[in-house]
Amino acid sequence: KAGVTQTPRYLIKTRGQQVTLSCSPISGHRSVSWYQQTPGQGLQFLFEYFSETQRNKGNFPGRFSGRQFSNSRSEMNVSTLELGDSALYLCASSLGGSGQETQYFGPGTRLLVL
Amino acid sequence: KNQVEQSPQSLIILEGKNCTLQCNYTVSPFSNLRWYKQDTGRGPVSLTIMTFSENTKSNGRYTATLDADTKQSSLHITASQLSDSASYICVVILTSGTYKYIFGTGTRLKVLA
Repeated sequence: KAGVTQTPRYLIKTRGQQVTLSCSPISGHRSVSWYQQTPGQGLQFLFEYFSETQRNKGNFPGRFSGRQFSNSRSEMNVSTLELGDSALYLCASSLGGSGQETQYFGPGTRLLVL
Repeated sequence: KNQVEQSPQSLIILEGKNCTLQCNYTVSPFSNLRWYKQDTGRGPVSLTIMTFSENTKSNGRYTATLDADTKQSSLHITASQLSDSASYICVVILTSGTYKYIFGTGTRLKVLA
């Protein structure tokens, strides 16, 4: 069974631009969560989608948004990029996202904002 | 102050030795506590998941313990291998309404030959 895939793996953008990241969960998984990882803050939860609905949200500004499609694939969008948005963005999938299931992480998208 | 604190921040040990990583948390009540291993350049991989009522959980050479009274968890690695070199992250999952992931900042382990 294929693991979680994320595209692109690397991305360079400039301040003010917007970016869209994609995540394909493990087949059969309906929950997709997004995380931001930086050396200073560590891993931080962005949001979680289940059956095309945002079910949970972390403390990030509205510039960070996402969506999930009917095939459970998810996209994350960051608008008006800031230098501080440079980070590794990870997505993770699980069967139902109950908070008690194992999450499987993708390799991440490394975003550099110049 | 972080709600989930890990120590030490980094650790260097020789191959074959044992080591113990610590995780202290202040948040409660929680649904479960997890330990992840993250290799450089890769996403985290789940090692153990423990509910608040469990005291210990093993996964091969990895054994996690949980003391809900002192709000401490530890991850013990037995007979370390070079492939154990990674960051180890402790995560507490809160459930009050919706669930919330509180991450520790991790311990960076380096195993030397």
